[in-house]
Amino acid sequence: GAGVSQSPSNKVTEKGKDVELRCDPISGHTALYWYRQSLGQGLEFLIYFQGNSAPDKSGLPSDRFSAERTGGSVSTLTIQRTQQEDSAVYLCASSFEGANTEAFFGQGTRLTVV
Amino acid sequence: GQQLNQSPQSMFIQEGEDVSMNCTSSSIFNTWLWYKQDPGEGPVLLIALYKAGELTSNGRLTAQFGITRKDSFLNISASIPSDVGIYFCAGRTGGLVFGAGTILRVKS
Repeated sequence: GAGVSQSPSNKVTEKGKDVELRCDPISGHTALYWYRQSLGQGLEFLIYFQGNSAPDKSGLPSDRFSAERTGGSVSTLTIQRTQQEDSAVYLCASSFEGANTEAFFGQGTRLTVV
Repeated sequence: GQQLNQSPQSMFIQEGEDVSMNCTSSSIFNTWLWYKQDPGEGPVLLIALYKAGELTSNGRLTAQFGITRKDSFLNISASIPSDVGIYFCAGRTGGLVFGAGTILRVKS
């Protein structure tokens, strides 16, 4: 696609429910990143994919968080048994592989856990 | 792990003023990227730097990739009200590491 697409743009869920957030990267981009941004805060790294594999999962805050990527394209971030502190904007970025490349962001998914 | 120190954390601008912010790290990066984020939006790429010492301009924006590859700065000349937002630096080797952001606000 023309840009990184994330869905849904907004999600309100009850505490304890599971949620799935989707990221469609720019076509041909093999690297994909997930970040979390709390209100007024910076970008917290969650996970990085090279193709379908995740060489760096160090940012996932707990075992309730998981992510997968299939076909080297779409990625899904799943949060199980959501807690109120999970409320944040979840941002996805993609790029070509390699150090001298630019990364582009989607609009984010605003998650609110009530 | 790799960390970026971005400063200042926030600043107030008056229309017409020049603005400067920078990022430093103890790690070496191959690429420096500068992003701007408006409220409710994802970060948008402003400038990309690929070579140590590189100085790149994009309109009123100028950014430099430090010679040591451990720092970068972003200057905004003759600021205008729509420059307000959050500016992030990012350094890249394989993964992408972000600074905490610089919040630009308008002086009232």
